[in-house]
Amino acid sequence: DTGVSQDPRHKITKRGQNVTFRCDPISEHNRLYWYRQTLGQGPEFLTYFQNEAQLEKSRLLSDRFSAERPKGSFSTLEIQRTEQGDSAMYLCASSRGRQGGTNEKLFFGSGTQLSVL
Amino acid sequence: AQSVSQHNHHVILSEAASLELGCNYSYGGTVNLFWYVQYPGQHLQLLLKYFSGDPLVKGIKGFEAEFIKSKFSFNLRKPSVQWSDTAEYFCAVNAWNAGNMLTFGGGTRLMVKP
Repeated sequence: DTGVSQDPRHKITKRGQNVTFRCDPISEHNRLYWYRQTLGQGPEFLTYFQNEAQLEKSRLLSDRFSAERPKGSFSTLEIQRTEQGDSAMYLCASSRGRQGGTNEKLFFGSGTQLSVL
Repeated sequence: AQSVSQHNHHVILSEAASLELGCNYSYGGTVNLFWYVQYPGQHLQLLLKYFSGDPLVKGIKGFEAEFIKSKFSFNLRKPSVQWSDTAEYFCAVNAWNAGNMLTFGGGTRLMVKP
């Protein structure tokens, strides 16, 4: 399977715990995105990487959230001191990253469903 | 800030019926427009996109969408739906001053009865 993969598929945690999710994009894709989706809503943009550089962050991304893409390949999203409001599906997407390509097709992973008890 | 509205949250159709799903966005400048689809148990995938040229764009599986700039709309259409079109459909907008951020609408759940 050469699509975007995310791990784990499901995560249940207690409020106050830290969690980390991983995303492996399609190998030749330079751009990587994190989105969050809650029930009945569309995905909301969280952050975006061009190679290893984090170029955009949403105001939704509080200081409890941190994302990295250390070698420009896989990415991790960490949530510290989780709250019940963090319960959502966390989606990762990647794209080729041609210069100026804001009209690019995004390839989405299946997501990590986080439940904070 | 840009926003996207999808008017119908749930649509139920019989096979062979025609489909039109509404999408309106709020941004006065140049935009790139997308429809993504999520079939049951699958990930989001691109259905079609518009960024310039002919405002009527055709996508996969017989879908098309028309960009009407004066109405800030990008409605999705299909002349005759099939049971396999049962899915959730999301309209999304990228404004040229918004970097690489896509803003999605709330989605429309389509159920096609056989």
